[in-house]
Amino acid sequence: GNSVTQMEGPVTLSEEAFLTINCTYTATGYPSLFWYVQYPGEGLQLLLKATKADDKGSNKGFEATYRKETTSFHLEKGSVQVSDSAVYFCALNNQGGKLIFGQGTELSVKP
Amino acid sequence: ETGVTQTPRHLVMGMTNKKSLKCEQHLGHNAMYWYKQSAKKPLELMFVYSLEERVENNSVPSRFSPECPNSSHLFLHLHTLQPEDSALYLCASSPRDRDNSPLHFGNGTRLTVT
Repeated sequence: GNSVTQMEGPVTLSEEAFLTINCTYTATGYPSLFWYVQYPGEGLQLLLKATKADDKGSNKGFEATYRKETTSFHLEKGSVQVSDSAVYFCALNNQGGKLIFGQGTELSVKP
Repeated sequence: ETGVTQTPRHLVMGMTNKKSLKCEQHLGHNAMYWYKQSAKKPLELMFVYSLEERVENNSVPSRFSPECPNSSHLFLHLHTLQPEDSALYLCASSPRDRDNSPLHFGNGTRLTVT
């Protein structure tokens, strides 16, 4: 079946550090891949997405590239800010299927 | 403003109470969802409605009863809950069910069962 695995948190970084949150998936066919972000006290928001192999999704300085050969969709940001502190969810959606979420990775950025 | 509004934001209820969670979307979407978010567990999809018809029920106990009177409103009726039902309940919507369009989430209702 389809599944998503994320690196466990919490991840604690200093401001301006480089961020990587790993995400790998198992799926049949060619799913679309997503990163959602949940800020404290809020629901999830779509951060970025990629719909086919080698696509790069980007938003707010975050990037993720759909790597079919390694079944990965790692989230990266070159310089994190305190305001990026949140929980990040990787997710996949197969056409005709439901959205499958990873367990979430908490990011804490210290000044 | 997320386009999906959930009320109340917080709810404390005893195990013998009956309460309802409300979700409203003004995005013109045809599909609506209830998710349960518990600490240190993946998001659990509870129910899916498409064009006001329930299309998915993921083995949710009968003490949770959804209602979708129209494509803009979704309710979750609660009765005789257990302490382990304490969680953040998230409502979401999307243009259609079972396609690759992203979900739009509300801010959730934080439920505590005492």
